[in-house]
Amino acid sequence: DGGITQSPKYLFRKEGQNVTLSCEQNLNHDAMYWYRQDPGQGLRLIYYSQIVNDFQKGDIAEGYSVSREKKESFPLTVTSAQKNPTAFYLCASRPLWDNQPQHFGDGTRLSIL
Amino acid sequence: AQKITQTQPGMFVQEKEAVTLDCTYDTSDQSYGLFWYKQPSSGEMIFLIYQGSYDEQNATEGRYSLNFQKARKSANLVISASQLGDSAMYFCAMTMDSNYQLIWGAGTKLIIKP
Repeated sequence: DGGITQSPKYLFRKEGQNVTLSCEQNLNHDAMYWYRQDPGQGLRLIYYSQIVNDFQKGDIAEGYSVSREKKESFPLTVTSAQKNPTAFYLCASRPLWDNQPQHFGDGTRLSIL
Repeated sequence: AQKITQTQPGMFVQEKEAVTLDCTYDTSDQSYGLFWYKQPSSGEMIFLIYQGSYDEQNATEGRYSLNFQKARKSANLVISASQLGDSAMYFCAMTMDSNYQLIWGAGTKLIIKP
């Protein structure tokens, strides 16, 4: 079955530590996205990528980094510069032609130890 | 600037009743798309329904329909015959200028009472 796989489901970060969230899709979608969701809130865009080896900052990119070396993969690194990383992180993908919905993974919950 | 507004933070509805979740939007674009997603307590985002700005008919998908009123810039989601499993957060979203990004509303928490 095609879909988006995010791992791990739960992640704990120590102060000063970088952590990487994995996002893999086998839907052959060109565009991929990372969102942050705080409790009771909507989604805020961190980064997105429309093509391999290219990505753009979203609204809240500070303290995060991404790479897009393969079409299937779009990992997100939460760096130590992100002072309030506790949140729910969602990865999404979609084809680039018009009117297509974004498809989402099941998310990763990140907490500070 | 483009904006999505969901004015109902939370709603309680009796099982089997119809539900209308409000969504208003603001954009100067002529071509745009509107999406509704459901987020159960487990966290995954589930796509429900899509409406294009040039679509003359309101979109329908099973028990979901979209009441699209372009002049009023509203795109309300209607759920017919609500079920306990409909309890979730519901988000309205709109395509931005590039058509590849979405702008999201704050969501409405729907609770279906037995």
